Amino acid sequence: DAKTTQPPSMDCAEGRAANLPCNHSTISGNEYVYWYRQIHSQGPQYIIHGLKNNETNEMASLIITEDRKSSTLILPHATLRDTAVYYCIVRPAGSYGKLTFGQGTILTVHP
Amino acid sequence: GAVVSQHPSRVICKSGTSVKIECRSLDFQATTMFWYRQFPKQSLMLMATSNEGSKATYEQGVEKDKFLINHASLTLSTLTVTSAHPEDSSFYICSARLGGSADTQYFGPGTRLTVL
Repeated sequence: DAKTTQPPSMDCAEGRAANLPCNHSTISGNEYVYWYRQIHSQGPQYIIHGLKNNETNEMASLIITEDRKSSTLILPHATLRDTAVYYCIVRPAGSYGKLTFGQGTILTVHP
Repeated sequence: GAVVSQHPSRVICKSGTSVKIECRSLDFQATTMFWYRQFPKQSLMLMATSNEGSKATYEQGVEKDKFLINHASLTLSTLTVTSAHPEDSSFYICSARLGGSADTQYFGPGTRLTVL
């Protein structure tokens, strides 16, 4: 399995961009990078995913380096409601969608 | 779109009883659903993969006779915790797989089980 490494915690000021890094140096060519977040006592929420190209949706942007060994999730204007645990996950090929959750990054957005 | 619901959201039961948790994909069909468990201050742990019309696949260390999974339709999977004990108290979360090339999973809100 390709494993990911994330910082255990980060802080961000409300209204500023939150940039959450993730290392996945052993990723394979056909593996996607997924980002989920989990707000306290709720199920994880899908944010975004990507394979090679940068991706953007209404929630966030995903920047994947050219060698695909790392990525950054960008929340352009963080709000207090973005405080959550953010998980970067690489899905193994041929695993029928199994996701392996690490410890993630606890993002705290403060006023 | 891609909404997954769980019922109940919270359940308290006595030791030795069985508890059934339902997971439904509301606006899409899911041939595959997953069941996770999360203990306090820990990450999600995959328990089993539920496939419509066939037997579930359990992760190593998960007792299949204790955690019964049924996936009788393309929108419903159930997890039954049999003869529950206090150590089974946890947050149980399901997800449903939306197919396609990206194969994204969408998660339910979770069920908090407390066994007294």
